Amino acid sequence: DVKVTQSSRYLVKRTGEKVFLECVQDMDHENMFWYRQDPGLGLRLIYFSYDVKMKEKGDIPEGYSVSREKKERFSLILESASTNQTSMYLCASSFQGGNYGYTFGSGTRLTVV
Amino acid sequence: GQNIDQPTEMTATEGAIVQINCTYQTSGFNGLFWYQQHAGEAPTFLSYNVLDGLEEKGRFSSFLSRSKGYSYLLLKELQMKDSASYLCAASTGGGNKLTFGTGTQLKVEL
Repeated sequence: DVKVTQSSRYLVKRTGEKVFLECVQDMDHENMFWYRQDPGLGLRLIYFSYDVKMKEKGDIPEGYSVSREKKERFSLILESASTNQTSMYLCASSFQGGNYGYTFGSGTRLTVV
Repeated sequence: GQNIDQPTEMTATEGAIVQINCTYQTSGFNGLFWYQQHAGEAPTFLSYNVLDGLEEKGRFSSFLSRSKGYSYLLLKELQMKDSASYLCAASTGGGNKLTFGTGTQLKVEL
């Protein structure tokens, strides 16, 4: 069963902490994405990657960074967590090209207190 | 910029048909995806339209008009388990980047 795995389902962190969200896919997908989902705002793209060691900013990259050292792993980093980063974070992956849908992970609900 | 609009909420009766509309204004448009998301779960793929017309897949069908920037998802023979959020997403650019609408929360009632 192919899948995208996010390391934590629920996470509570303190303001100012450095937070790592991990995502691993076993489908040999080239593309990986990080979104956050908030009520009334839908899914918004934070960062994405088309290849190892490659990254591109999405629509809301401020306060975030990413790392992709291996094809199967894409990490989202909150350098100094703030309360406005409390959200549901969804990782997704897909093959290259415009015809392929995403496979999503089950999400990480992050609360920053 | 990219803009995708869909209704916030809809209510329908079990066994009925419901149509969820989506309009989009994007650059570098490749195609239109529909996803289903149950509360507390990840979105799951429903359909993809790249050409104009209707794509049918069981109880679900999706339509696209590229010239009008318009799509709809049609759900037939509604079941209680169809209560979920339905996300419209436009694929743009060369790398399968998706821009999502805010989702339509569908409630199926007896």
